[in-house]
Amino acid sequence: DVKVTQSSRYLVKRTGEKVFLECVQDMDHENMFWYRQDPGLGLRLIYFSYDVKMKEKGDIPEGYSVSREKKERFSLILESASTNQTSMYLCASSPRTGRHQPQHFGDGTRLSIL
Amino acid sequence: AQKITQTQPGMFVQEKEAVTLDCTYDTSDQSYGLFWYKQPSSGEMIFLIYQGSYDEQNATEGRYSLNFQKARKSANLVISASQLGDSAMYFCAMMDGGATNKLIFGTGTLLAVQP
Repeated sequence: DVKVTQSSRYLVKRTGEKVFLECVQDMDHENMFWYRQDPGLGLRLIYFSYDVKMKEKGDIPEGYSVSREKKERFSLILESASTNQTSMYLCASSPRTGRHQPQHFGDGTRLSIL
Repeated sequence: AQKITQTQPGMFVQEKEAVTLDCTYDTSDQSYGLFWYKQPSSGEMIFLIYQGSYDEQNATEGRYSLNFQKARKSANLVISASQLGDSAMYFCAMMDGGATNKLIFGTGTLLAVQP
């Protein structure tokens, strides 16, 4: 089975801090994704990456950056955390080949910015 | 632009009954995929079922089936014989035919199964 591991289930940080959310997958997938989930809004794509050192903006990239130095690891960075970034963050991965491959998700990180 | 609409914020169903969760979509692509995910209260997203736009038969996976009506642009999830463990948030999502495998999600439906 595909395993996508997010480094923390719960995280509390202060406004202005630089925050790192880590995601690792063990299935050699090319594509990796970061979403945030808010009540009533569903999941919204922040950034995605289809290869090492490659990244593309999603629908809500403002205030975030990403890093993909190795194929298995995709990091989400909040450069200067703000209270409106309090949310559930979900990482996902999928293979590039094959039509309409489902994304496999981690357990999520509930981030609170105080 | 692609869009997924789930009009039911929440639903109740009695244990052992069938339930239908609605999903409509909007896209100008000819090739696309439709997915349903389950999210229990613990937070993980679990892939349930997939339907391709060119698939002629409705997808089924155990107690889950997808009622795909292409002309109406709907992809409703049917859960047969509901169980207490089916209580969760359910998300409908769409993927276009491109290489990046990006998903567009609906806002979700919270299903509560009553004993």
